Amino acid sequence: AQTVTQSQPEMSVQEAETVTLSCTYDTSESDYYLFWYKQPPSRQMILVIRQEAYKQQNATENRFSVNFQKAAKSFSLKISDSQLGDAAMYFCAYRSAYAGGTSYGKLTFGQGTILTVHP
Amino acid sequence: DTGVSQNPRHKITKRGQNVTFRCDPISEHNRLYWYRQTLGQGPEFLTYFQNEAQLEKSRLLSDRFSAERPKGSFSTLEIQRTEQGDSAMYLCASSPGTGGTGKLFFGSGTQLSVL
Repeated sequence: AQTVTQSQPEMSVQEAETVTLSCTYDTSESDYYLFWYKQPPSRQMILVIRQEAYKQQNATENRFSVNFQKAAKSFSLKISDSQLGDAAMYFCAYRSAYAGGTSYGKLTFGQGTILTVHP
Repeated sequence: DTGVSQNPRHKITKRGQNVTFRCDPISEHNRLYWYRQTLGQGPEFLTYFQNEAQLEKSRLLSDRFSAERPKGSFSTLEIQRTEQGDSAMYLCASSPGTGGTGKLFFGSGTQLSVL
């Protein structure tokens, strides 16, 4: 079974600064997806960024980028130019890419990191 | 709004009562998932449907829990004889079948409080 670990329960950053959230995972599969989801106080899960394991290039979405180290099974999220609206709980998640399996599509989440942004 | 819809948003019930939640996925999505999230924790997988077939159930889903997805459209999650430990946010998500981006689309959840 896959596991996802976020070792930072809380992080804080000053507005306009950069912060990196850590995530490690364990799997025996070679093809999978990794995600970062944001959950603000409204508790709506919002997809921040997605990485496909077979792609070596790190994904980037505007101010959000990842550092994907497949051999190390590490998937960190970097938020540049932090904004007050970035304050939320951030979850790292794993999903198998093997179509047809009964678990295909199921997300396994980490414990989450609470990000506080100071003005 | 063509997103995932969940009703009710909040439910308060007394211990021992039955409750039912509804999830309407994005119309063209044939995969539907239920997750449970307690405060300060990540969502935990409960069950998964492909069309009307329930393909996987977590061990978290005790005999008091039942989920259905008639005709492969909306889904319901029923909890019988609720216990205080059932208090949580119940999240529904949907995704396309094969060929999708791997992304799950989440609803806003149903917050259950068992008194």
